[in-house]
Amino acid sequence: DPKIIQKPKYLVAVTGSEKILICEQYLGHNAMYWYRQSAKKPLEFMFSYSYQKLMDNQTASSRFQPQSSKKNHLDLQITALKPDDSATYFCASSQDLDINTEVFFGKGTRLTVV
Amino acid sequence: GDSVTQTEGLVTLTEGLPVMLNCTYQSTYSPFLFWYVQHLNEAPKLLLKSFTDNKRPEHQGFHATLHKSSSSFHLQKSSAQLSDSALYYCAWDSNYQLIWGSGTKLIIKP
Repeated sequence: DPKIIQKPKYLVAVTGSEKILICEQYLGHNAMYWYRQSAKKPLEFMFSYSYQKLMDNQTASSRFQPQSSKKNHLDLQITALKPDDSATYFCASSQDLDINTEVFFGKGTRLTVV
Repeated sequence: GDSVTQTEGLVTLTEGLPVMLNCTYQSTYSPFLFWYVQHLNEAPKLLLKSFTDNKRPEHQGFHATLHKSSSSFHLQKSSAQLSDSALYYCAWDSNYQLIWGSGTKLIIKP
C-alpha cells in the first residue's frame, strides 16, 4: 500500500509542451522533495518544501515549478519540455526538514520527451 | 566543496562472498551519512544511516561504520545473497538536502 503516490507512472510528452507530475503523501510528513534521476546519472536533488514553503531550490531552470496546494501535495509543473528533461522524477518526503531524518521516496514518474 | 564519492560504478560478486561498497566524503564538519538501496524499477529506500554515538548501524545483514579519520562510511555484508543485487547510493545530509554519490550497481551471481 504505497504511502507516496506519484501520477502518472509513465509519461510521454512532445518537445515544447507542458506537463504536471502529481505527488501526494499519506505519511503525515511536513517536508516534501523532488529528485530527478537521469539515465546513467546519480539522483539529483531539485526542491525541498517544508509546511508548503519552498526551502531550497537546486534547479537552475525556471521551467520547473513545484506547486503545493495542500500540505501533503507537491506537484511539479514542467514547461517548454526538452528531450534532456527525460528522466525519472521521484517525489519524496520526511517527517520534518531535520538533519539525519529518513527520506521516503515514491515510485517515480518516468518522463520521456520526444 | 562538500561531496560524497563512490568509486565503484559496478561490483559483480558470486553469492556467498563478502560485500564491501566504498563511500568516502569530504566535509568541513561531521556529516550524517546514509546508504540507500534501489532495486530495479523501485524507489530508493533507506538501508541504514550513521549514528552520532559511534554505534554501528545494521540492517538486513548490511552494516557500515563511520570512520572520521578516513572520512569513510563503507557498506559491508559478510555473505552476499542474490536478492542483494541492486543500486546502492551513499548519501550525505547537507543543509536539509541529500547529496548523493554516483551509486554502485551490485550484481550478485549464483
